[in-house]
Amino acid sequence: EAGVVQSPRYKIIEKKQPVAFWCNPISGHNTLYWYLQNLGQGPELLIRYENEEAVDDSQLPKDRFSAERLKGVDSTLKIQPAELGDSAVYLCASSLAGSVSNEQFFGPGTRLTVL
Amino acid sequence: EDQVTQSPEALRLQEGESSSLNCSYTVSGLRGLFWYRQDPGKGPEFLFTLYSAGEEKEKERLKATLTKKESFLHITAPKPEDSATYLCAVQAWGNTGKLIFGQGTTLQVKP
Repeated sequence: EAGVVQSPRYKIIEKKQPVAFWCNPISGHNTLYWYLQNLGQGPELLIRYENEEAVDDSQLPKDRFSAERLKGVDSTLKIQPAELGDSAVYLCASSLAGSVSNEQFFGPGTRLTVL
Repeated sequence: EDQVTQSPEALRLQEGESSSLNCSYTVSGLRGLFWYRQDPGKGPEFLFTLYSAGEEKEKERLKATLTKKESFLHITAPKPEDSATYLCAVQAWGNTGKLIFGQGTTLQVKP
């Protein structure tokens, strides 16, 4: 079974430039999450989708961050414009509603460097 | 406010030297406590979910236990391949889906 796929794996941009990350969840998983992980820290939730609906975006900095999940499958996270402090790893995860263990499956992440 | 604190931040062990990692938590109604393993350059990999105080789960050299205030990840006779960062996270009732992570414990096992 294929895992969560993310691209690109690495991205280096100049500050004030836009950037986008893409995520393809595990087939059949209706819940999708975007997390931000700073160096030496645990992941922090940015946004959670149930199918196409963003049910928790309270931690998403909406002045520069946006996300979408068209057709309830793939998702894109965008930053415009990027700031130096946005340098981090952006993780996508998915889960199956009603699963016994409630586990979330994580992708490998996109490492963003803002210069 | 829901919170997770892990200790120690880093741990160095000799191969075969057993030890424990600690995860202290405060949460408004625990739905589940999760342990993940994260290797450098990879996403977290699920290990265990614990739901109630007194529960224990095992996988190879790892055993996770849960009390009302903390969880322990016991590593018995570790091997170099157990070297990784171990993350603890909690999920609260009423906020299902959201995981609140600790900062992790980085384990290095030397041969």
